[in-house]
Amino acid sequence: KAGVTQTPRYLIKTRGQQVTLSCSPISGHRSVSWYQQTPGQGLQFLFEYFSETQRNKGNFPGRFSGRQFSNSRSEMNVSTLELGDSALYLCASSGTGDNSPLHFGNGTRLTVT
Amino acid sequence: AQSVTQLGSHVSVSEGALVLLRCNYSSSVPPYLFWYVQYPNQGLQLLLKYTSAATLVKGINGFEAEFKKSETSFHLTKPSAHMSDAAEYFCAVRTYNQGGKLIFGQGTELSVKP
Repeated sequence: KAGVTQTPRYLIKTRGQQVTLSCSPISGHRSVSWYQQTPGQGLQFLFEYFSETQRNKGNFPGRFSGRQFSNSRSEMNVSTLELGDSALYLCASSGTGDNSPLHFGNGTRLTVT
Repeated sequence: AQSVTQLGSHVSVSEGALVLLRCNYSSSVPPYLFWYVQYPNQGLQLLLKYTSAATLVKGINGFEAEFKKSETSFHLTKPSAHMSDAAEYFCAVRTYNQGGKLIFGQGTELSVKP
């Protein structure tokens, strides 16, 4: 079974631009979650989508948004990029049930200059 | 509110020595607990999970963790460290009906000396 796939692996953007990151979950998983990882703040939950609906949301500004398609693939978008948005963005998918673990992709490294 | 505290941002052990990584959680209801490992330039890999079936949980690569409700702890151990265990380890908690939302600790970087 293929794992969680994130594209691209690396991105360099300029302040003020916007960016879209993509995530393909494990086949059969309907939940996709996004996390931001930085040295200072650690791993922080952005949002979760389940069956094309946002089910949970973290404490991030509205510049961070996401969506999920009917095939469970998900995208997250960051508009008006700031230097502080530089981070590793991780996507994870899971099956149903609270005891179902999250399976993570290798992330997209975003650098904002 | 849930929280996770990992004691020690850096732990160094000798090859063959016991590995002990500490994790304490705060949750008002019984939690689901997880340990993940992250190697450089990679995502997080699940080591093990606690879901109330047994207090001692065995995971991959020889790791195990014991859930102690009275101490609100879920420490990760491995009897004998290997060089390949050098990585960053994260403890995470999720409570009922939180779906894909995990609360992570700050992580512990494990170094293994030859």
